[in-house]
Amino acid sequence: EVQLVESGGGLVQPGRSLKLSCVASGFTFNNYWMTWIRQAPGKGLEWVASITNTGGSTYYPDSVKGRFTISRDNAKSTLYLQMNSLRSEDTATYYCTRGPTRFDYWGQGVMVTVSS
Amino acid sequence: DVVLTQTPVAQPVTLGDQASISCRSSQSLVHSNGNTYLEWYLQKPGQSPQLLIYKVSNRFSGVPDRFIGSGSGSDFTLKISRVEPEDLGVYYCFQATHDPFTFGSGTKLEIK
Repeated sequence: EVQLVESGGGLVQPGRSLKLSCVASGFTFNNYWMTWIRQAPGKGLEWVASITNTGGSTYYPDSVKGRFTISRDNAKSTLYLQMNSLRSEDTATYYCTRGPTRFDYWGQGVMVTVSS
Repeated sequence: DVVLTQTPVAQPVTLGDQASISCRSSQSLVHSNGNTYLEWYLQKPGQSPQLLIYKVSNRFSGVPDRFIGSGSGSDFTLKISRVEPEDLGVYYCFQATHDPFTFGSGTKLEIK
């Protein structure tokens, strides 16, 4: 059974950093691109970052480019999202998903709250 | 950025009836490789989103044939026939043709 389990969320002050993790199981992790998608409270979905199966290439929208870094450790079947210079508008539930598109599996999400 | 406009914002429906959701793009979603990367997701209350349709009209594994995706270019539709209670939630369209990838703002399917 495919599982994606996120962790690392919490309350953080504006300007500070946080690192999310997503442990994958039930599939060959290093065969798949992975993506982070977020959802602000009561709002819609936003694509945040994607990474190729090897980790050799990464992709971001302008809203997080230069502040967020997606990475992966294929030996540990783990996806990461390093978030720096956090802003209030980064407050959201962050989902780990499988794929560059056609997101067929999603984690349960982890909440990040940016507030002083 | 590509803007996906979903209508209606909310769709009241009687169980057993058909529902239809529109997703219009600010530009064509036909990729240079000829594919159209338009997808549909359903987020049920309190749950993570789930994939329904990819590349306009392809149903994901396990999705009932009551869900039908159609359209081309910049105009797309999701039809749900014989709506059942488990179909209720928020539907999002998503495009992966143009960078950055974008979602529509969602359509809430609710009981009339």
